[in-house]
Amino acid sequence: DADVTQTPRNRITKTGKRIMLECSQTKGHDRMYWYRQDPGLGLRLIYYSFDVKDINKGEISDGYSVSRQAQAKFSLSLESAIPNQTALYFCATSDRLEQETQYFGPGTRLLVL
Amino acid sequence: AQTVTQSQPEMSVQEAETVTLSCTYDTSESDYYLFWYKQPPSRQMILVIRQEAYKQQNATENRFSVNFQKAAKSFSLKISDSQLGDAAMYFCAYRGRDDKIIFGKGTRLHILP
Repeated sequence: DADVTQTPRNRITKTGKRIMLECSQTKGHDRMYWYRQDPGLGLRLIYYSFDVKDINKGEISDGYSVSRQAQAKFSLSLESAIPNQTALYFCATSDRLEQETQYFGPGTRLLVL
Repeated sequence: AQTVTQSQPEMSVQEAETVTLSCTYDTSESDYYLFWYKQPPSRQMILVIRQEAYKQQNATENRFSVNFQKAAKSFSLKISDSQLGDAAMYFCAYRGRDDKIIFGKGTRLHILP
């Protein structure tokens, strides 16, 4: 089984709809991250969380919100989806004891019509 | 703010040859981590190699090695004996004191048979 899982893997939605992307991990890591990837722009950090009670905004948090329901779960919500939020979304985890390496989920491809 | 620059959007190399991917970064910190991630067509983000800035010795993982020049703020990736499976997008990444990772925009590597 994969250590970091994301659901759904692909999603098509309409402008204005609320959508949630979920991330779960079995690595026991305390830190979790959400990124989006756009062609030619690399990965950009949306939100990150160092533990259940710690949530921080990243580079591009506008239009997004997150929830850290448990150490192993970190959800990303688009309150009112817009077409320029069409992207590939990655969840990642890390642990300070593992030299700060981030481990990524398989990604969620989101299309907003 | 830290930045990561990959100046080569695309590169090609003949199978079995050696190729070097460039990465430069800008930071005022002295202690940090650098990474190379590979993203094949499956879109999974895979860690290739990591380097701690306090270590002078260049990291090596099988056919992958880095040339870390701290004073020049350069972190290039060398792939020896290139194989068809090396074809992917490669991202250089920096992690500093604030625990956030900054990614470059990526270099797409083509392997010519």
